[in-house]
Amino acid sequence: ETGVTQSPTHLIKTRGQQVTLRCSSQSGHNTVSWYQQALGQGPQFIFQYYREEENGRGNFPPRFSGLQFPNYSSELNVNALELDDSALYLCASSPGTSESYEQYFGPGTRLTVT
Amino acid sequence: GESVGLHLPTLSVQEGDNSIINCAYSNSASDYFIWYKQESGKGPQFIIDIRSNMDKRQGQRVTVLLNKTVKHLSLQIAATQPGDSAVYFCAGDNAGNMLTFGGGTRLMVKP
Repeated sequence: ETGVTQSPTHLIKTRGQQVTLRCSSQSGHNTVSWYQQALGQGPQFIFQYYREEENGRGNFPPRFSGLQFPNYSSELNVNALELDDSALYLCASSPGTSESYEQYFGPGTRLTVT
Repeated sequence: GESVGLHLPTLSVQEGDNSIINCAYSNSASDYFIWYKQESGKGPQFIIDIRSNMDKRQGQRVTVLLNKTVKHLSLQIAATQPGDSAVYFCAGDNAGNMLTFGGGTRLMVKP
């Protein structure tokens, strides 16, 4: 049990719509990272938040945005959805210290864009 | 940018045998490598990690080997069990928790 939860578990959206995915990090973790995992592939880093500030971003367009709240929970927002955005979206939290790099992943949100 | 990839997409082993899953990386700046296990419908689960200044690290039934000369990483699972069946990913980290994952290897354990 990692303690990282995500909601919803599944979601179906239409091309052009907007979506918000949510993540609750493990207790005591101040760093949250989001990944996109297409079917049959490894996760791709989207961005990371550390103490409510974006702390790094992967090769994703600006229509992928995020937030981190004071309780370190996080949201991933995707605007103008495209068919290729269909994927499993994973959230991972970590303590944010140099002593521990371990990231704890949630179960993911399966997004289908039609 | 960094690229982390795997040699074999599918590995089938007999229960009780040892499994070896391989991974190659291209960016020698990575200072930390991790192996994850992902079961169907679940997020990746941490198995074992190794820092770039180490060659070998052992855990419970698992061993990770790092060969920096040829930029190769391997995961050895001893006495493979049916519960080990999953997709295994290696990942590299050179920017502080921003992981670059390989494409994954599916491990199938035959009873």
